Amino acid sequence: DAGITQSPRHKVTETGTPVTLRCHQTENHRYMYWYRQDPGHGLRLIHYSYGVKDTDKGEVSDGYSVSRSKTEDFLLTLESATSSQTSVYFCATQDRARGGTEAFFGQGTRLTVV
Amino acid sequence: DQQVKQNSPSLSVQEGRISILNCDYTNSMFDYFLWYKKYPAEGPTFLISISSIKDKNEDGRFTVFLNKSAKHLSLHIVPSQPGDSAVYFCAANPQRKGAQKLVFGQGTRLTINP
Repeated sequence: DAGITQSPRHKVTETGTPVTLRCHQTENHRYMYWYRQDPGHGLRLIHYSYGVKDTDKGEVSDGYSVSRSKTEDFLLTLESATSSQTSVYFCATQDRARGGTEAFFGQGTRLTVV
Repeated sequence: DQQVKQNSPSLSVQEGRISILNCDYTNSMFDYFLWYKKYPAEGPTFLISISSIKDKNEDGRFTVFLNKSAKHLSLHIVPSQPGDSAVYFCAANPQRKGAQKLVFGQGTRLTINP
């Protein structure tokens, strides 16, 4: 297993509050990703990073920001949480750039916005 | 608009028989296709991938078939085992190199009955 740790694993927060989810990897993988999983949608890409301080938007980036100041850490921030952001969030890492290369996923963070 | 679709939310198969999971896509620019398996409360794990220039890839009990003209791929598991019970996600990668901006289907829950 790739060493990917997501924290927290569970969080309940109130609408309008900021929330930061952390992904920490010990594999020195270059690429890191944040996905959300919702019923009927599978997983959808929020943001990704292709190196330290190099990030880009994914399919559902509105309301989210990310930062990567070190290779091992990728932070996802919800600036002002809304109920539509209640979801399970997965971080993933990838070491090689070839298209069929597997991505390694963390165990997920279940976020509830009330 | 869902670019990758898994139209069967669930599938039940007897142990020892073949499991066939299907996936359809709409974007002819997808370059790689991947299958991931997910157990409850865990992150997805990579199973197998196939390049768009191939029509079959096999790895042990798992075989993926790609029909580009029909924009359809399938995952065959034979023989099916109880440990195969999980949610299976089909994913597509529009890029041959660089960050994998995977587009996932909704998932199919496979149950293997003893």
